[in-house]
Amino acid sequence: KAGVTQTPRYLIKTRGQQVTLSCSPISGHRSVSWYQQTPGQGLQFLFEYFSETQRNKGNFPGRFSGRQFSNSRSEMNVSTLELGDSALYLCASSLGERGGQGEQFFGPGTRLTVL
Amino acid sequence: GQQLNQSPQSMFIQEGEDVSMNCTSSSIFNTWLWYKQDPGEGPVLLIALYKAGELTSNGRLTAQFGITRKDSFLNISASIPSDVGIYFCAGHHNFNKFYFGSGTKLNVKP
Repeated sequence: KAGVTQTPRYLIKTRGQQVTLSCSPISGHRSVSWYQQTPGQGLQFLFEYFSETQRNKGNFPGRFSGRQFSNSRSEMNVSTLELGDSALYLCASSLGERGGQGEQFFGPGTRLTVL
Repeated sequence: GQQLNQSPQSMFIQEGEDVSMNCTSSSIFNTWLWYKQDPGEGPVLLIALYKAGELTSNGRLTAQFGITRKDSFLNISASIPSDVGIYFCAGHHNFNKFYFGSGTKLNVKP
């Protein structure tokens, strides 16, 4: 099976712009989670989508949003970029059933730099 | 959100030495996961644990799911330079939210 793919791998934006990141989960996985990783903060959970619905949400401002399509592919959007949004954005997929064994697989990440 | 307590934060060891790191939580988990992350890449799943007391090996790696379901440890035997990286633990419960430790940065001196 192909792994989790993320596009683009690298992105440079300027303050005030918006950005959209894309994630394709492992075939058959219905849950997609997004994380922000910065050197000092570790992995910070953004949100999780399952069957096109946001099921879990972290503590990030409303500038961070996401969606999931019927084929389980997901996009994450950040509007009005700030310098502090520079980070590695990781997408992870899992089967997602409640009560099931949890294994989550990560993509390679998108490195976002905000100038 | 909830964070797991992972220790140590960093380790400097000699090639050939054994390594041990652990994670503790105030909450019970149904699954414990251990990941390794290389610079600029996504974390790679090393071992998944599903039952309290379970001991699982993957080559030189061994991990255990604590009896209380609130802790887990990872051991690496006979370390080699390519073991260098950041190791993360993660806990999962029924609501499909994953909680991550802050990572253990491993440095191996040849």
